[in-house]
Amino acid sequence: GENVEQHPSTLSVQEGDSAVIKCTYSDSASNYFPWYKQELGKRPQLIIDIRSNVGEKKDQRIAVTLNKTAKHFSLHITETQPEDSAVYFCAASLFAGGYNKLIFGAGTRLAVHP
Amino acid sequence: NAGVTQTPKFQVLKTGQSMTLQCAQDMNHNSMYWYRQDPGMGLRLIYYSASEGTTDKGEVPNGYNVSRLNKREFSLRLESAAPSQTSVYFCASSEPRGFANEQFFGPGTRLTVL
Repeated sequence: GENVEQHPSTLSVQEGDSAVIKCTYSDSASNYFPWYKQELGKRPQLIIDIRSNVGEKKDQRIAVTLNKTAKHFSLHITETQPEDSAVYFCAASLFAGGYNKLIFGAGTRLAVHP
Repeated sequence: NAGVTQTPKFQVLKTGQSMTLQCAQDMNHNSMYWYRQDPGMGLRLIYYSASEGTTDKGEVPNGYNVSRLNKREFSLRLESAAPSQTSVYFCASSEPRGFANEQFFGPGTRLTVL
């Protein structure tokens, strides 16, 4: 089955710096890669996603890149702000039978220091 | 529009007790999911229901059962709770559209088994 590895497990940056979180997946058939943000004590929420036919996607200060050959994808946050502090989860999805089953990475705890 | 709701928010059980976690969504989604979240392990899929009337095992189904009561409701039952089931449980729902599958999460249930 699919396996998703995420690094680093913790990341500390100064406000204004960039942050990069990397994930690798095992199943080459996976074709959808979302990123979720979970603030302390809250539910996970989707922040950006990318499909396998796209190499890069941007939304304001966040971007995601996908390398299908190497089976890895990354989240990039520029000009970090204290409110970016949270746990970030990557996931990979294998579209099958009319539904998608997400396999999540273990998460990265990002701390942005003022 | 409440989105995904879960009850209870907190629960403490003794080993061997049983309980049912309730989940409901008002977004008319076909697919629903149950996850558990443990420190350092991300979100692991317990069971999912691709559509009303169907349920399937996820990554960690042992010790759990589910019921898709109708399109809105998906419950998770622990028949004989064990300390290893101490976790935060999240319900989610989605309406898969092609390769995309944004999952909307409930607020979670924090369960402690003594």
